[in-house]
Order: sequence, then C-alpha cells, then structure tokens
Amino acid sequence: NAGVTQTPKFQVLKTGQSMTLQCAQDMNHNSMYWYRQDPGMGLRLIYYSASEGTTDKGEVPNGYNVSRLNKREFSLRLESAAPSQTSVYFCASSVVAPRADTQYFGPGTRLTVL
Amino acid sequence: SQQGEEDPQALSIQEGENATMNCSYKTSINNLQWYRQNSGRGLVHLILIRSNEREKHSGRLRVTLDTSKKSSSLLITASRAADTASYFCATNFGNEKLTFGTGTRLTIIP
Repeated sequence: NAGVTQTPKFQVLKTGQSMTLQCAQDMNHNSMYWYRQDPGMGLRLIYYSASEGTTDKGEVPNGYNVSRLNKREFSLRLESAAPSQTSVYFCASSVVAPRADTQYFGPGTRLTVL
Repeated sequence: SQQGEEDPQALSIQEGENATMNCSYKTSINNLQWYRQNSGRGLVHLILIRSNEREKHSGRLRVTLDTSKKSSSLLITASRAADTASYFCATNFGNEKLTFGTGTRLTIIP
C-alpha cells in the first residue's frame, strides 16, 4: 500500500516548456487535489476533483490544467511554464470531498522554472 | 482571505517542554484539522475537530476549538526531537475544500 505517489520528485524547466506532473493513489479515494507550496504562503489549492469525471478550480488555477484520468490518477499540466510557477507541488486525496475528510499527501514535486 | 493564520510563526523549545501553537480563522467552519510537515516531506494529518466539539486528544496531542473566538490551539506535551516540523491548521467551510494556514515552524532543542 503506497498511499499517494507523485512523479517526478524534481524537475527543472526552461520558461515556455511544458510538462505533466503525475499523481496516483491506491486507497480507493474519491477525491483528489493539487496544491502548490511557496515559502511563507502555506498551501494553496490549484485544482481538485471531487469524484471521478469532475474537476474544479481552486484558489490559483491560472497557468494549469488537470485531468482525472481514472479514479486512481490525477495529473497536473503546465502548458507554458513561467518562473512564477517555481514551487513545490503536492497531490492529495481523501475519501469523500463534501465533508472535507482527512487528506493524504504525496511526497511532493520540486519544480524550478528558469 | 478565509485562510487560517497560525501563531507564532516560529517556536523553539527545549526537549521535554510543552509546545502550544494557535490558529485563528475568519468565518464559520465545518471542521478544523491540524497537519504536520517534516522538512522536505508531504503533510501528515494529525487530528480533526468538528465545529460542535471543544476538545480532542490523540496521544501527546491536545486540540481545542473555540468557535466564539474563531480560534484553535494545538498542544504537544513532553516534546521530542522528532516533533521538529512545521504545523499547519486547515479549515473547512462546509464545501469540498480545505484552506491551509501559513504554518508554525517548531524546533525542539535536544
């Protein structure tokens, strides 16, 4: 039982490049989330998926797209990376979204955009 | 912003002492959660307290919630070096999302 896994762990991009961050959970959770964490800012929600087949914007969605590929997988895509997207990205999952249950986090992806 | 705010931003104590950190928020909540983050790692859930609860315990952790003051506190008793981490409160306002605070960085001095 691996919980929430994220790939890659580290990535360096040049401005304008694109990439997809992958997230998978093996806990049969319905809801999945993408956050970014910047120094002094706490975690900010980018996008979330309350259930398979649905996605919704969070607090900071601009510059990102997401895909809920199936119940297990939720990917985050940067179409044209910008230095302002340098951050640590966390994926999380929870059993049931409406009650905002306990969220389980992955280990994070450290992204640097030059 | 509806974001919770932790206080203090940083706290250093001697091993064995108790550590207290606080969280304040602005609007009515459904529940409040506390998470721990060790350096370079993801967040780990510690405890959830619902709006109709006033206190919860889990091992060396004690969480209180005062909805009239819109605040919560996390007490870690008999601190250990392994408790060195950042601690975040997260609030749910009855929708599908959690809103995280900016965290308290706790350092336990051996």
